[in-house]
Amino acid sequence: SAVISQKPSRDICQRGTSLTIQCQVDSQVTMMFWYRQQPGQSLTLIATANQGSEATYESGFVIDKFPISRPNLTFSTLTVSNMSPEDSSIYLCSVEGVTEAFFGQGTRLTVV
Amino acid sequence: GDSVTQMEGPVTLSEEAFLTINCTYTATGYPSLFWYVQYPGEGLQLLLKATKADDKGSNKGFEATYRKETTSFHLEKGSVQVSDSAVYFCALSDFRTGANNLFFGTGTRLTVIP
Repeated sequence: SAVISQKPSRDICQRGTSLTIQCQVDSQVTMMFWYRQQPGQSLTLIATANQGSEATYESGFVIDKFPISRPNLTFSTLTVSNMSPEDSSIYLCSVEGVTEAFFGQGTRLTVV
Repeated sequence: GDSVTQMEGPVTLSEEAFLTINCTYTATGYPSLFWYVQYPGEGLQLLLKATKADDKGSNKGFEATYRKETTSFHLEKGSVQVSDSAVYFCALSDFRTGANNLFFGTGTRLTVIP
């Protein structure tokens, strides 16, 4: 299993600003995943982050809006840039186990 | 592509009632199936899983059986408690072929009243 610490747990931000979300894992993992959960909706994969290479973004998500860092095998950050109210969501990081995925507790972002 | 269709909520039940939350899937490979639960104010937690056809996942009184013939993975519990109030997500992934990301259903909010 893996224990994931994600912070901040919540934030209220002004539109046009940026927020960086941190994700720390208690073991070394090859891939880390970032998801978005918009209000009343399911989780959508934003990108996959491998250590030592650029993140791979899913359709509809771009690096300029959601830059990701992966400096080592236990840590990753996701930045939500130039925020608008439409970015208000829960953002979760995840790592894969052998047969299941593990999730952080999420960051609840409200953009005003 | 792979996808999950989940019964929409919200669902409100009285304590000790029987719960069923329907989930069907579409997949090109041989996916593993999961139910995740999100309690108020918390992150996603794995509730149960099944990795091949006819497997039954179970945890905390919840059960779900991987039915390949009907492409379903319905969640059931015989007697719900107030503490089961949460959002439940059905999901699939095909870890064996290297498709590591999860496809989630839209989630079903369950409220159990005393």
